[in-house]
Amino acid sequence: EPEVTQTPSHQVTQMGQEVILRCVPISNHLYFYWYRQILGQKVEFLVSFYNNEISEKSEIFDDQFSVERPDGSNFTLKIRSTKLEDSAMYFCASSVRGATGELFFGEGSRLTVL
Amino acid sequence: LAKTTQPISMDSYEGQEVNITCSHNNIATNDYITWYQQFPSQGPRFIIQGYKTKVTNEVASLFIPADRKSSTLSLPRVSLSDTAVYYCLVGDIGTGGYNKLIFGAGTRLAVHP
Repeated sequence: EPEVTQTPSHQVTQMGQEVILRCVPISNHLYFYWYRQILGQKVEFLVSFYNNEISEKSEIFDDQFSVERPDGSNFTLKIRSTKLEDSAMYFCASSVRGATGELFFGEGSRLTVL
Repeated sequence: LAKTTQPISMDSYEGQEVNITCSHNNIATNDYITWYQQFPSQGPRFIIQGYKTKVTNEVASLFIPADRKSSTLSLPRVSLSDTAVYYCLVGDIGTGGYNKLIFGAGTRLAVHP
């Protein structure tokens, strides 16, 4: 069964450093998403991406964050100058039809900012 | 923005049917209702989606009354492995169309032996 894969599974970084989280969506999917989940809290929407541009973003997704689809397979989330409060599990998701269709989530990348 | 309300937690026993109800009083005409399941340290997993009446698949049923202001996820004969958080989501129309789903707090289901 096709799946969304994310790397790294866990990254530890120092405050102020830049982090890039990588995702390989399912190959025929057209819509891509990043969500995050702080330990013990709910899943929070960050950004959606379609046709090589951001479709929607939340208030969390400020100038510190950026997304990119550098090639035909990868979808990346860059966090510049990480802060302690960026520590969370980051989930990538993809879908064929957008939010009315099924979103397939990856296993997540755990980011720990020290 | 269609907000959802669901119980914070529920308890059940193996073999029982579990019904989790979600309220979405201000659901919009074009909104779909979707349920996801999440195990600890894993990404959410799609369970079922519907627009109205009843939808059934191999793992669950979704009941949606005519006014669509609520929905009920029904899990038949739960097992210990169904212990998870269950999220009810309503498809939100963002500025670019159906581009995001907003997760609420979810319902923590604990299945006991």
